Amino acid sequence: KNEVEQSPQNLTAQEGEFITINCSYSVGISALHWLQQHPGGGIVSLFMLSSGKKKHGRLIATINIQEKHSSLHITASHPRDSAVYICAVRRKNIIQGAQKLVFGQGTRLTINP
Amino acid sequence: DVKVTQSSRYLVKRTGEKVFLECVQDMDHENMFWYRQDPGLGLRLIYFSYDVKMKEKGDIPEGYSVSREKKERFSLILESASTNQTSMYLCASSFLAGGVWLEAFFGQGTRLTVV
Repeated sequence: KNEVEQSPQNLTAQEGEFITINCSYSVGISALHWLQQHPGGGIVSLFMLSSGKKKHGRLIATINIQEKHSSLHITASHPRDSAVYICAVRRKNIIQGAQKLVFGQGTRLTINP
Repeated sequence: DVKVTQSSRYLVKRTGEKVFLECVQDMDHENMFWYRQDPGLGLRLIYFSYDVKMKEKGDIPEGYSVSREKKERFSLILESASTNQTSMYLCASSFLAGGVWLEAFFGQGTRLTVV
């Protein structure tokens, strides 16, 4: 079983719909990242969370540390939101020095006009 | 803005060639990472470095080596390219501030095809 599981793997919706992407993890973490990858490959960091909730424009990310679960919400979705959304967790105290990220498989979101 | 720049967007190499993928970041980050991304497998860590001349194996280091001679540059080397190394390669950097790891910044990716 992967340490980070995302659902759904693929999501197609109509413009304007409210979108939710879920991420569950099974390890102790110091932070959770939501990343966005557009066709062409480049990855952009959307949020880094260690507790609670963050909002940026139409994007909202929440995390429940006790339940080991995070959600990414997109309000008033738009075709330009079409991308792969990746959840990644930073494990606690794995190794002196860099703390590695562990990635989910990604959720491919397609928003149709 | 932090910038992580990978030297090539697309590369085509022949089996057996030695391949260098270069990554440069301009924000004095201590930590740099090389990942590969394959359909159905997500991003997997190949190697990372937490300081100049320091390197650690990630989850899939076989067939790869790295070099970090300067803080801003982290190179991934395929000693003898093979077709199963055809993949998207992503470089990233991150840093500590006040004992807390902050954002990870990614390059635009290099799509390598080995023929």
